[in-house]
Amino acid sequence: GAVVSQHPSRVICKSGTSVKIECRSLDFQATTMFWYRQFPKKSLMLMATSNEGSKATYEQGVEKDKFLINHASLTLSTLTVTSAHPEDSSFYICSASPSGANVLTFGAGSRLTVL
Amino acid sequence: GDSVTQMEGPVTLSEEAFLTINCTYTATGYPSLFWYVQYPGEGLQLLLKATKADDKGSNKGFEATYRKETTSFHLEKGSVQVSDSAVYFCALNSPGMGSARQLTFGSGTQLTVLP
Repeated sequence: GAVVSQHPSRVICKSGTSVKIECRSLDFQATTMFWYRQFPKKSLMLMATSNEGSKATYEQGVEKDKFLINHASLTLSTLTVTSAHPEDSSFYICSASPSGANVLTFGAGSRLTVL
Repeated sequence: GDSVTQMEGPVTLSEEAFLTINCTYTATGYPSLFWYVQYPGEGLQLLLKATKADDKGSNKGFEATYRKETTSFHLEKGSVQVSDSAVYFCALNSPGMGSARQLTFGSGTQLTVLP
């Protein structure tokens, strides 16, 4: 079945630094990938839709300059948290689905802790 | 807007006990409803789904029935196993959301099954 891999699974960084999280579709091509954020005991919230070869579509309230998304190939999307602050600490999850499939495959998530 | 409310956890049960995790939703139109499961260290996996009123989704002994009159999609299992320990997410997808793969999630319910 379809597999989505995220890396790193955990990252700790200092305030003010930038962190990149990768999302890869391992056995299928994904023209669209989705990035979610999950706070403790809260819903997964859609942050943005990553589109291969074009700009990402951000949900209302998500800072584009804070959360940079690049979808440079059909199997890779990256989320860069720029100038990270402690309030950016969260669990970030990506998802994708093979063309024609109507079920999302999720990555295992990346836990970001900003000190 | 659309929303999903699910039973807060954590839920702790003994093996072979009956499980119910409540989920109610608010949506315009006729959404599709889903239950996802996240095992420790893994991504979210689709557990079951229902696309119209009175549909029953089932998988691995789990069941949920789409109840339009009560706007509910409660998850049930007659006899849980230790291996069912995971976080369970209720989710919906409304027609006209743009991408059929964008989902609105509940906050998740942690289930722990003791031997």
